[in-house]
Amino acid sequence: NAGVTQTPKFRILKIGQSMTLQCTQDMNHNYMYWYRQDPGMGLKLIYYSVGAGITDKGEVPNGYNVSRSTTEDFPLRLELAAPSQTSVYFCASRKGLGGTDTQYFGPGTRLTVL
Amino acid sequence: EDKVVQSPLSLVVHEGDTVTLNCSYEVTNFRSLLWYKQEKKAPTFLFMLTSSGIEKKSGRLSSILDKKELFSILNITATQTGDSAVYLCAVGVFSGTYKYIFGTGTRLKVLA
Repeated sequence: NAGVTQTPKFRILKIGQSMTLQCTQDMNHNYMYWYRQDPGMGLKLIYYSVGAGITDKGEVPNGYNVSRSTTEDFPLRLELAAPSQTSVYFCASRKGLGGTDTQYFGPGTRLTVL
Repeated sequence: EDKVVQSPLSLVVHEGDTVTLNCSYEVTNFRSLLWYKQEKKAPTFLFMLTSSGIEKKSGRLSSILDKKELFSILNITATQTGDSAVYLCAVGVFSGTYKYIFGTGTRLKVLA
């Protein structure tokens, strides 16, 4: 099992550019999450998904979009990148056992928008 | 609004000291409380505490959950330099689906 994988590890974008952060899990988990972590801060939920075809907004969804066409993949799309989106992005997944199971995190993507 | 507050924000101790990290919460539909250790990468899972498991221990780390007073503590005894990290507390809540609310973390530095 590779667990949760994310690509790329690092990326620098110019203001107004777009990109997709990839996230894949091979644990057959139902729930997947995207978080961002700003320096010295905790994690803030951007979007989440409870299964293929079902996504919903978290605390800070503006400027982002997601899709979940398969159980394994949960890409995060940034349209019109802004400096405020400079952050470390973590993808996570969990099986979904009534809230009593833990999340597994990917290694993160460090994004800088200049 | 659901809220998770960790204290202190940062802490510097010497090897061998014992530390206590705090996590208090105000949420609706509490389901679980998780502790993570984060070094210079993704958070790694330490403990999960729920109504059916309010005390956990693993080696020098232990944690308790007080559901009445709405807080948890993470204890680390005989600290080592390898314990230096940010410790994150997350509370699992149910609001139509399960989500996690994270605190800002406690940055622990252990000096040799």
